[in-house]
Formats: sequence, structure tokens, C-alpha cells
Amino acid sequence: ETGVTQSPTHLIKTRGQQVTLRCSSQSGHNTVSWYQQALGQGPQFIFQYYREEENGRGNFPPRFSGLQFPNYSSELNVNALELDDSALYLCASSLGGVLSRNEQFFGPGTRLTVL
Amino acid sequence: SQQGEEDPQALSIQEGENATMNCSYKTSINNLQWYRQNSGRGLVHLILIRSNEREKHSGRLRVTLDTSKKSSSLLITASRAADTASYFCATVQPYGGATNKLIFGTGTLLAVQP
Repeated sequence: ETGVTQSPTHLIKTRGQQVTLRCSSQSGHNTVSWYQQALGQGPQFIFQYYREEENGRGNFPPRFSGLQFPNYSSELNVNALELDDSALYLCASSLGGVLSRNEQFFGPGTRLTVL
Repeated sequence: SQQGEEDPQALSIQEGENATMNCSYKTSINNLQWYRQNSGRGLVHLILIRSNEREKHSGRLRVTLDTSKKSSSLLITASRAADTASYFCATVQPYGGATNKLIFGTGTLLAVQP
């Protein structure tokens, strides 16, 4: 167990809807990263939050947005869902800093299915 | 986009045998990490090797890094059925700033037969 939790575990939505996924970081970690993992692929970086500010973004459209709260928990919001958004969404927490390049601790993921 | 590829895509061995997985990447790195994923769930960090290191050990795991060839290998010795999982390499690039994003490879699916 990494101490990182995600909710919900599974989610089914229809195209065009909006979804919010949640992540609680490991205690003491100030950085949260979100990844999308399509079936049979490696995870792809969506964005990262460090001390409540977005700190790097991957090649994802603006309809993917996020928040990090003062307790360092985080949300991933996806608007106008598309079929290709169906994937496992993983959050990972780490102890970040200007020169940090540390290992990350992953939650169990949220499986999103868009119909 | 993925950083690189892992080889083989799938590997099936008997319990007790060694398993070797290879990873190639495209850009310069600060470090390279290996993760394990069971049944499409969360990833578990196995080992981190920095760009100035060539080899690292952790229990039954041995990782090598060749930055001139932009490649790494993960060796699991004396494999067990519980080692059955997907294994991913992930690189962290040496840019400035606080970004600590992982760029993953495509993964190797390891099946250890009892």
C-alpha cells in the first residue's frame, strides 16, 4: 500500500458528460501528478500540481483540468467526455521541490468508461 | 507520446528462472525508474537509477543503465509466480524547474508459470 487513495474505483459516463476524479496524497507529499493509461499502453502524463499550482502539463486538451487543495489532495476534471477518454486514471504523489526528481507513489486508479 | 519501447512485449518463464526486460528511451535523462503494475491497477515503484550510475541492486532486482545507448535492463532473479505483472520503465528528464513527470515506456508483460 502506498498511502495514496483514489475515488471512485470505477465510473461509467456517457459522451459529452463531465467527470471529477479525486486523489488523496501520501502524508507529507506536496506534489500530485495525474496520468492516463489506455488499455495496453503505458501511462501518459496529464499534468502535475506542486503546492496548489499547476507545474507542468502533458499533451492533453484544456477540457482536462485539475485542482490541488491546501491539504495536497487533488481533483482531475474532464469536460465534454469523448469515447477515447475511456482509460485508467492514475494519480501519483511525491515530495517535490525545485530540484526534485524522486520516485512517485501511485494510487490504485479510477477506471473510467465513456459510452 | 511514449518515451521509448520495452522489449520483449511479453515474456513467459518458469518459476525459478531469471527474467530480463529491456528498455530504450529517446532523450537525455536525470534518472530512470522501474515500476510494476498488477492487473491494470496502480503502479508500484521498484527501483530508481540515476544517470551517473551504471548498475543498481535491490533484493532480487538488478538494473543496469547505459546512457550512451539510451537503454536500461531489469533483471529479476529466481522468479516467483507472484512476480507476474506488467513492468514499465519511466524516465525523468533533467530540465530545470520542479516538474517531476515520468515518461513511460510501453511495458513488458511478464508471466511466471508455477
